[in-house]
Amino acid sequence: GDSVTQMEGPVTLSEEAFLTINCTYTATGYPSLFWYVQYPGEGLQLLLKATKADDKGSNKGFEATYRKETTSFHLEKGSVQVSDSAVYFCALSDGGSNYKLTFGKGTLLTVNP
Amino acid sequence: SAVISQKPSRDICQRGTSLTIQCQVDSQVTMMFWYRQQPGQSLTLIATANQGSEATYESGFVIDKFPISRPNLTFSTLTVSNMSPEDSSIYLCSGGEEYEQYFGPGTRLTVT
Repeated sequence: GDSVTQMEGPVTLSEEAFLTINCTYTATGYPSLFWYVQYPGEGLQLLLKATKADDKGSNKGFEATYRKETTSFHLEKGSVQVSDSAVYFCALSDGGSNYKLTFGKGTLLTVNP
Repeated sequence: SAVISQKPSRDICQRGTSLTIQCQVDSQVTMMFWYRQQPGQSLTLIATANQGSEATYESGFVIDKFPISRPNLTFSTLTVSNMSPEDSSIYLCSGGEEYEQYFGPGTRLTVT
């Protein structure tokens, strides 16, 4: 079945540091890929998505590129802020007749001033 | 985008009782789903809520334990039946179209 493996946390960075959170997937066919973010005490929010190979999703300074050859969708940000502290989830949807999401385990990011 | 609200936001329930969680979307959506997020864990899909027909459950989840209704394109309910402490979790609904899924704030359930 489908699965998502993402970098174990927690990740602790200083403000303005470069962020990478690794995400790889296993799926039949060509899934769509997502990053969701969960800020403390809040629900999940869609951060960015990519629906086909080589697509780059971007939002709020975060980027991720859909790499079919390496089955990866790594999340990056050039300069993190304290307000980026949250749990980040990588997810996939294999489409078809049901667009249900399969999530990775989540990575807790803490950014210190 | 869609805005999703859930009621209640949290509850503390006694073992053996049932709780119904409501999910309301501010616009019509094709897809609605229910997830469970256990403490410190990822989200696990419980079922797809199908409008006008029985929900489609994932492996490990059954209708008798988690009955779901979806009477229209903006509303769904999940009931957690005959609760035990192992059901303590956050329950989230999501809704959207195809690849765009939006999540409610979750219902934090504690079973004592």
